[in-house]
Amino acid sequence: AQKVTQAQTEISVVEKEDVTLDCVYETRDTTYYLFWYKQPPSGELVFLIRRNSFDEQNEISGRYSWNFQKSTSSFNFTITASQVVDSAVYFCALSEAVNYGQNFVFGPGTRLSVLP
Amino acid sequence: SAVISQKPSRDICQRGTSLTIQCQVDSQVTMMFWYRQQPGQSLTLIATANQGSEATYESGFVIDKFPISRPNLTFSTLTVSNMSPEDSSIYLCSVNFDSRGTQYFGPGTRLTVL
Repeated sequence: AQKVTQAQTEISVVEKEDVTLDCVYETRDTTYYLFWYKQPPSGELVFLIRRNSFDEQNEISGRYSWNFQKSTSSFNFTITASQVVDSAVYFCALSEAVNYGQNFVFGPGTRLSVLP
Repeated sequence: SAVISQKPSRDICQRGTSLTIQCQVDSQVTMMFWYRQQPGQSLTLIATANQGSEATYESGFVIDKFPISRPNLTFSTLTVSNMSPEDSSIYLCSVNFDSRGTQYFGPGTRLTVL
């Protein structure tokens, strides 16, 4: 069975600090897809990134970066120089290839508060 | 990516009543998904809705409580029936727009049941 764990329930940082959100997953499938979503206070879920299990290259997009390590089943998300607008709940999600595009399993989420 | 809209954006309802939530997409999609997010919790998939067939419900969710319609490739409704305060949640629809398997979400419907 697939499972996603986000051990950090809440994190508070001061603006301009770097922060890393942890995501650990479990799956028996050899091909799978990992996602990060942002949910600001408005409630809408915003897609941030998708990663294939066979592509372990790390990715950077502006102040955001992602570190995917199959050896530790982790897909961590780092925000550099955090801003107040980064305050949100962040969800990591997993989808197995056998249910491509369906049956997303979401982690419990990490609430990030960036203080001015 | 295409635009997903939901109506209503929020509602406050009385116990025992029903509410129908609409999800509209501005392009044709094969599958639409309905999720529930209880206060302070993560997302849980309620059902997958394909056009022209019965929705597929996840364990713990039944058609009598959450009937779903999918009359065409751009529209779906989810009804929350005989509501109780435990149904107070955000209900979100999502779709796959591309071949990469990503789900994109609507803005959600925030439901409060008194």
